Amino acid sequence: EAGVTQFPSHSVIEKGQTVTLRCDPISGHDNLYWYRRVMGKEIKFLLHFVKESKQDESGMPNNRFLAERTGGTYSTLKVQPAELEDSGVYFCASSQDPRRTGGGDTQYFGPGTRLTVL
Amino acid sequence: QKEVEQDPGPLSVPEGAIVSLNCTYSNSAFQYFMWYRQYSRKGPELLMYTYSSGNKEDGRFTAQVDKSSKYISLFIRDSQPSDSATYLCAMSAPKTSYDKVIFGPGTSLSVIP
Repeated sequence: EAGVTQFPSHSVIEKGQTVTLRCDPISGHDNLYWYRRVMGKEIKFLLHFVKESKQDESGMPNNRFLAERTGGTYSTLKVQPAELEDSGVYFCASSQDPRRTGGGDTQYFGPGTRLTVL
Repeated sequence: QKEVEQDPGPLSVPEGAIVSLNCTYSNSAFQYFMWYRQYSRKGPELLMYTYSSGNKEDGRFTAQVDKSSKYISLFIRDSQPSDSATYLCAMSAPKTSYDKVIFGPGTSLSVIP
């Protein structure tokens, strides 16, 4: 079974440009999460989709960030316009509906997209 | 005060040593406790997962949770060079089993052959 995949693996852009990150979750996983790790800091939650609906977007830093999950499959995270402080590694994670497994929300992470804003 | 505190290390041990990694937390609502392992340039990989207090063992790894002290530990027995990675503690306080995961900053571990 394929894991969570993210594209691109690296992106270098200039301040003011737009970047779109993509995440393909594990097939059948209803929950999709975006996280970010900026230099020297811990991984921080950005938002959570349940299928195509935003369940929790309390971690989104500002309105320059837009996440979508049309059709409840893959998700995109767009940063427009990018600022220097947006540099970091963006992780996507997915999990099954815990009501089906009877367990907690075990999340499986992708390899991340390393974003550098110059 | 951060929600989750973790000694960032780096921690360097000889092969075969027992490794002890620890985290403290402040939110008493946390119920799910996880340890992730992250190799350089890779995403976090779930290593151990515990609900509420107690111990859980999986091969060379043992996770302990003490909710009364708000303290969790990961022990690695017979450490191997392949265990060299960053270890992240993580926890969540699910209200509907959908809540977000809060991570510690990670401890960098090197196991020297």
